[in-house]
Amino acid sequence: EPEVTQTPSHQVTQMGQEVILRCVPISNHLYFYWYRQILGQKVEFLVSFYNNEISEKSEIFDDQFSVERPDGSNFTLKIRSTKLEDSAMYFCASSRRTSGRTDTQYFGPGTRLTVL
Amino acid sequence: DQQVKQNSPSLSVQEGRISILNCDYTNSMFDYFLWYKKYPAEGPTFLISISSIKDKNEDGRFTVFLNKSAKHLSLHIVPSQPGDSAVYFCAASANNAGNMLTFGGGTRLMVKP
Repeated sequence: EPEVTQTPSHQVTQMGQEVILRCVPISNHLYFYWYRQILGQKVEFLVSFYNNEISEKSEIFDDQFSVERPDGSNFTLKIRSTKLEDSAMYFCASSRRTSGRTDTQYFGPGTRLTVL
Repeated sequence: DQQVKQNSPSLSVQEGRISILNCDYTNSMFDYFLWYKKYPAEGPTFLISISSIKDKNEDGRFTVFLNKSAKHLSLHIVPSQPGDSAVYFCAASANNAGNMLTFGGGTRLMVKP
């Protein structure tokens, strides 16, 4: 069964450093998403991406964040200058979303980001 | 932001019995609802969904009920099995909001053998 994969599983970085989190969505999916879950809190939406551009983003997704689909398979989340409060689990998801209807998002296993 | 709320942080059920997990929402624009199951250190795994045009959807041991007038949905698991022990999240999306999911806080289900 196809699945979303994410690398690395755990990333430790120093405050102020740049990090890139990588995701390989399910191959025939058209929409891609990033979510995060700070320890003890809800899963929060960050950004959705379709047709090589951002379709929706939350207030969390400020200028420090960017997303890219550098090739036909990878989908990346970059945090330009990490802060302590960026420490969280980051989940990538993808969905087919044909015909403009809402549909099911499938999640990857997550990357645990620890900012020291 | 409390648009999706799961009021019970935990639920304990005996194996073989029914588990009922509840979820309330406030945003009347939500038109698609999903339940995810999550184990520690893993991503949410999709379980079952329901569109706002339906009031019930069933898949094996899992049934989701939607009461639009009460803005309430529930997930029934019957019979419950020890392997069902996990955190269950309900999530909702609105077709006019880029398909972003808004999650509840989760309910930890423990199924005792």
